[in-house]
Amino acid sequence: GNSVTQMEGPVTLSEEAFLTINCTYTATGYPSLFWYVQYPGEGLQLLLKATKADDKGSNKGFEATYRKETTSFHLEKGSVQVSDSAVYFCALYYGNNRLAFGKGNQVVVIP
Amino acid sequence: DAGVIQSPRHEVTEMGQEVTLRCKPISGHNSLFWYRQTMMRGLELLIYFNNNVPIDDSGMPEDRFSAKMPNASFSTLKIQPSEPRDSAVYFCASSLGSGGVILNTGELFFGEGSRLTVL
Repeated sequence: GNSVTQMEGPVTLSEEAFLTINCTYTATGYPSLFWYVQYPGEGLQLLLKATKADDKGSNKGFEATYRKETTSFHLEKGSVQVSDSAVYFCALYYGNNRLAFGKGNQVVVIP
Repeated sequence: DAGVIQSPRHEVTEMGQEVTLRCKPISGHNSLFWYRQTMMRGLELLIYFNNNVPIDDSGMPEDRFSAKMPNASFSTLKIQPSEPRDSAVYFCASSLGSGGVILNTGELFFGEGSRLTVL
């Protein structure tokens, strides 16, 4: 089936540190891939996306590259800020307007 | 621009009571989704509508749950009777298609959610 797996557990790091959140997927064909972000008390919002292999999505200093060979779409940011504290969800689009979401990773950035 | 609007933001009720959650999608969007978020299961798609018609309700947990979309600007999710295990945050989201074709964008616009606590 179509699914997304994110690394377990919250991520706590200091301001200006490098952030990586792992995401791997299982899908038939070549789905579009997404990262959504959920700030406290809010709904999810699209952070970035990639629609085909080797595409790099980027937004607000975050980047993720669609790697077909490793079926991965890891999220990275070179220097996080306290305002990046949120829950991050990896997702894949598998047609008919349906997204499969990962379980999300809580990121806490300490000043 | 108004985003997806959900109400109530918080609801506390007792087991056995009826709960109705409401959603107003973004004007012009023709697909609407109801998701449930819990710590244990993460984000689950309950049902989605396209052009006010339910397309996939396979995620609705059981007959106690029902959803309607009487027009393009309003949808409800009802739980009757409610149980403590229904406690969760329920999100409504909408997206844009084009005529009868669902665009392959995957971008959903979420409301702020309705936090339901069933005692």
